[in-house]
Amino acid sequence: QVQLQESGPGLVKPSETLSLTCAVSGYSISSGYYWGWIRQPPGKGLEWIGSIYHSGSTYFNPSLKSRVTISVDTSKNQFSLKLSSVTAADTAVYYCARQQLTHFDYWGQGTLVTVSS
Amino acid sequence: EIVLTQSPGTLSLSPGERATLSCRASQSVSSSYLAWYQQKPGQSPRLLIYGASSRATGIPDRFSGSGSGTDFTLTISRLEPEDFAVYYCQQCFSSSYTFGQGTKLEI
Repeated sequence: QVQLQESGPGLVKPSETLSLTCAVSGYSISSGYYWGWIRQPPGKGLEWIGSIYHSGSTYFNPSLKSRVTISVDTSKNQFSLKLSSVTAADTAVYYCARQQLTHFDYWGQGTLVTVSS
Repeated sequence: EIVLTQSPGTLSLSPGERATLSCRASQSVSSSYLAWYQQKPGQSPRLLIYGASSRATGIPDRFSGSGSGTDFTLTISRLEPEDFAVYYCQQCFSSSYTFGQGTKLEI
């Protein structure tokens, strides 16, 4: 059974960089698939942030592209998200997910990140 | 960017009834690239349907998806108490993914 678990600080100051890691179990990232990040502001809908292939190739939501970095560490079977210059609008539950070409089939439980001084 | 508009925003029904949820795209979407998710409070989204009409593993057959072009539908044939949740459609086009704003299905 594929399982994903997000981890990282729950509170980030404005203008700083949000950093999260997604640990994958039950499946080797190096075996394939894309791996994605999606977020959900409190009480709102879902927004795709970006995705990475096991080889390291990435693609991003155009609205966030200038601030997003996604990397993969196959030796640790995990992938990571960095979002720079955060503001209160970046407060959200952040999910990691395994991505088939067209949809997301396994999701982590999500982690709430609050941007506040 | 393709915008997905879901309707209605809220749907009030009773267990045993049939639910029909709509997802309309701002431009044509390949049927292969349309998915539906269910999200309950405090939980992560759960994949229900992919490729517009294929049920994900373990999804009961009371859930079905249909549609093509710009109009897609999620149907729940007979509502069970556990089906009351928020439902999202999602599309993939040119390596970009967008979600609808959601339909809340309430008792």
